Amino acid sequence: DTGVSQNPRHKITKRGQNVTFRCDPISEHNRLYWYRQTLGQGPEFLTYFQNEAQLEKSRLLSDRFSAERPKGSFSTLEIQRTEQGDSAMYLCASSLSAATDTQYFGPGTRLTVL
Amino acid sequence: GENVEQHPSTLSVQEGDSAVIKCTYSDSASNYFPWYKQELGKGPQLIIDIRSNVGEKKDQRIAVTLNKTAKHFSLHITETQPEDSAVYFCAASRGNTPLVFGKGTRLSVIA
Repeated sequence: DTGVSQNPRHKITKRGQNVTFRCDPISEHNRLYWYRQTLGQGPEFLTYFQNEAQLEKSRLLSDRFSAERPKGSFSTLEIQRTEQGDSAMYLCASSLSAATDTQYFGPGTRLTVL
Repeated sequence: GENVEQHPSTLSVQEGDSAVIKCTYSDSASNYFPWYKQELGKGPQLIIDIRSNVGEKKDQRIAVTLNKTAKHFSLHITETQPEDSAVYFCAASRGNTPLVFGKGTRLSVIA
């Protein structure tokens, strides 16, 4: 499968724990986006990368959230000291380059904070 | 910033009928408008997109229209089938920038 992959698909954690999600974009895609989707809502932008450079962070991305893309390939999203309000689907998308606008989404990681 | 409004929030149609979903956007600089279909437990799947230099685009049973002056765009699905049942999202961006999504339309096609 050459699509965007995300792991894990589901994560259940207790409030206060740290969690980390991984996203593998489509091969050779330079842009990588993270979105968050809560029940009954559309995806909301969190942050995005051009290769290894983090270009923009949404105000939704509190200081408990950090994202990296160290080698310009896969990316990780870490949430520290999770809160119940962090429960959501975390979606990753990739696009070929800065010159292209079409974004392809992965299956998402569903986080449940107890 | 950009704001995208989508309606209706739910839509039920008989199999074989047409479905229309409408979105409006606020940022006149937006020039890229994709539509995604999301099935339960899955990520959004791109079904069609349109850029601001065209007014209409069609792909088999799916078409999208764009009115830049009024800042609205619509998704049209003809000859609906049960497998079209899903949540549909419109989005807007200035191209190669983060997408701003509508809140979604839950489409139910009744056999």
